[in-house]
Amino acid sequence: GIQVEQSPPDLILQEGANSTLRCNFSDSVNNLQWFHQNPWGQLINLFYIPSGTKQNGRLSATTVATERYSLLYISSSQTTDSGVYFCAVQGGSEKLVFGKGTKLTVNP
Amino acid sequence: NAGVTQTPKFQVLKTGQSMTLQCAQDMNHEYMSWYRQDPGMGLRLIHYSVGAGITDQGEVPNGYNVSRSTTEDFPLRLLSAAPSQTSVYFCASSYGPNQPQHFGDGTRLSIL
Repeated sequence: GIQVEQSPPDLILQEGANSTLRCNFSDSVNNLQWFHQNPWGQLINLFYIPSGTKQNGRLSATTVATERYSLLYISSSQTTDSGVYFCAVQGGSEKLVFGKGTKLTVNP
Repeated sequence: NAGVTQTPKFQVLKTGQSMTLQCAQDMNHEYMSWYRQDPGMGLRLIHYSVGAGITDQGEVPNGYNVSRSTTEDFPLRLLSAAPSQTSVYFCASSYGPNQPQHFGDGTRLSIL
């Protein structure tokens, strides 16, 4: 099945810094989503982005489907951005496959 | 709208006991799925359903049963709980498998 790799596994930032999280996948995809799991365990859908670029406030995402990767950009990070960021993809099947996540810690 | 509702939020079981984790959504979503989350493993798909009366296996289906008698509900059954099933369980729903997924708040399950 399709493989998903996220990098880096851990990231520590000072408040106000920018960051880029990466998601590589092994096959063509019909569906790619970025999620944020907050410290209380809730999973929040950030972007549905099988291709192209989207922006939502300080967050933006780009998926280059032909090169099988997606990037999540966080600008001017805040302590509330802390948590784990997951990339999830769906290839030819009906199953969504998650990466292992990037744990982000933003210090004040 | 309540979105995706999971009950209970916490549960402790003894090995061999059975139980059902409940999941309900009020968004008229056809696609529903169950995941488990273990430390360092991300989320792994247990079972999913593309509509009422239709279910299929995910990546880690062993030890779990599901059924989908209505569009709104998708319960997950543990027939004989084992310590290896200690995990956090998430239910999700969407209009279709290619559409944005909406997650419940999870059920934290411990099996002693």
